[in-house]
Amino acid sequence: QQQVRQSSQSLTVWEGETAILNCSYENSAFDYFPWYQQFPGEGPALLIAIRSVSDKKEDGRFTIFFNKREKNLSLHIKDSQPGDSATYFCAASETGGSNAKLTFGKGTKLSVKS
Amino acid sequence: NSKVIQTPRYLVKGQGQKAKMRCIPEKGHPVVFWYQQNKNNEFKFLINFQNQEVLQQIDMTEKRFSAECPSNSPCSLEIQSSEAGDSALYLCASSPGLGVEQYFGPGTRLTVL
Repeated sequence: QQQVRQSSQSLTVWEGETAILNCSYENSAFDYFPWYQQFPGEGPALLIAIRSVSDKKEDGRFTIFFNKREKNLSLHIKDSQPGDSATYFCAASETGGSNAKLTFGKGTKLSVKS
Repeated sequence: NSKVIQTPRYLVKGQGQKAKMRCIPEKGHPVVFWYQQNKNNEFKFLINFQNQEVLQQIDMTEKRFSAECPSNSPCSLEIQSSEAGDSALYLCASSPGLGVEQYFGPGTRLTVL
């Protein structure tokens, strides 16, 4: 059973459009949700993160919308650029206790066409 | 930009051989995680440390994998007897604490022939 699920394996948008990447989770104890961007041959880079006490987090062109009741969240990338073409991973963790390991979705590969 | 350093970037081993990889966390980050990312983009948590202490590790890690984070030395992850199924990208992440952001290094790509 996948604890964190990303609904699309791939997504293609045109330059300048808003890309929307969706994610859902099973474990109600998850309270920290980072999104990572990964380019081929590199490690994942932290893009933006939200805690379950908030329903929205914005950082430049990137916004997370979070729905605790529905256990889902989405990453919106405004004004998409070809350089945003990468694989995006939704992750989740429980922040209490000594573990705090991240549980990842399988990623959404975003292609931005110009 | 992450300042986590991982070496080597690529590692090729035969089945049954030892494979060792190293990680230098960001300065001031006492928490270190190791993850395995396979070719299907599935991440698996392996082990984490706070300073030199193991906090949690999965069963696989307890058997063929060993890891340590000695003070004033790089952290390391070693596979005692490599298997074909161990071929993956091994990622080290460091964090300023528990339950906060984790920053990943570039990974060590292990290929077991």
